[in-house]
Amino acid sequence: GDSVTQMEGPVTLSEEAFLTINCTYTATGYPSLFWYVQYPGEGLQLLLKATKADDKGSNKGFEATYRKETTSFHLEKGSVQVSDSAVYFCALSASSGGSYIPTFGRGTSLIVHP
Amino acid sequence: EADIYQTPRYLVIGTGKKITLECSQTMGHDKMYWYQQDPGMELHLIHYSYGVNSTEKGDLSSESTVSRIRTEHFPLTLESARPSHTSQYLCASSELAAYNEQFFGPGTRLTVL
Repeated sequence: GDSVTQMEGPVTLSEEAFLTINCTYTATGYPSLFWYVQYPGEGLQLLLKATKADDKGSNKGFEATYRKETTSFHLEKGSVQVSDSAVYFCALSASSGGSYIPTFGRGTSLIVHP
Repeated sequence: EADIYQTPRYLVIGTGKKITLECSQTMGHDKMYWYQQDPGMELHLIHYSYGVNSTEKGDLSSESTVSRIRTEHFPLTLESARPSHTSQYLCASSELAAYNEQFFGPGTRLTVL
């Protein structure tokens, strides 16, 4: 079945540091890939997405490129801020018997210190 | 404004009580989902729906039930709450196609004493 593996956290960085959160996946067919962010006390919200190979999703300084050859969708940001502290989820949506039910990674907590 | 709502946000209840967690969306989405989120943050899909009169069980075995009588409304019911049901419950909705993202509600934090 489909699966998503993302790096375990917490990831602890100083403000203005470079961020990478790794995400790899296994899926049948051609999945769409997503990064969601969850701030404390809130639900998840879409951060960015990519729907085909070599697409780059970007939003709020975050980027991720759909790499079919390495089945990866790593999240990057050049300079993190304290306000980026949150939990980040990688997810895919693919046809599994026609259901298109999303599969999520286990989440990576990011803590940014001033 | 298009949105997805969950009520209540917080609920503390005694063992054996029947409870219903409400979820409504104003976006006209066909697909709706319920997730249980454990303290380690992982999401577990417990129920989903493709549209009116459609309900399916998810990956996590759950003693809850759902109904989908109207497109916008997807309530989750626990007939007899137990301490093991203590968790965060998240509702989400999306359009049918795989490339469409999910929209999540703010969650209901349930504590069963």
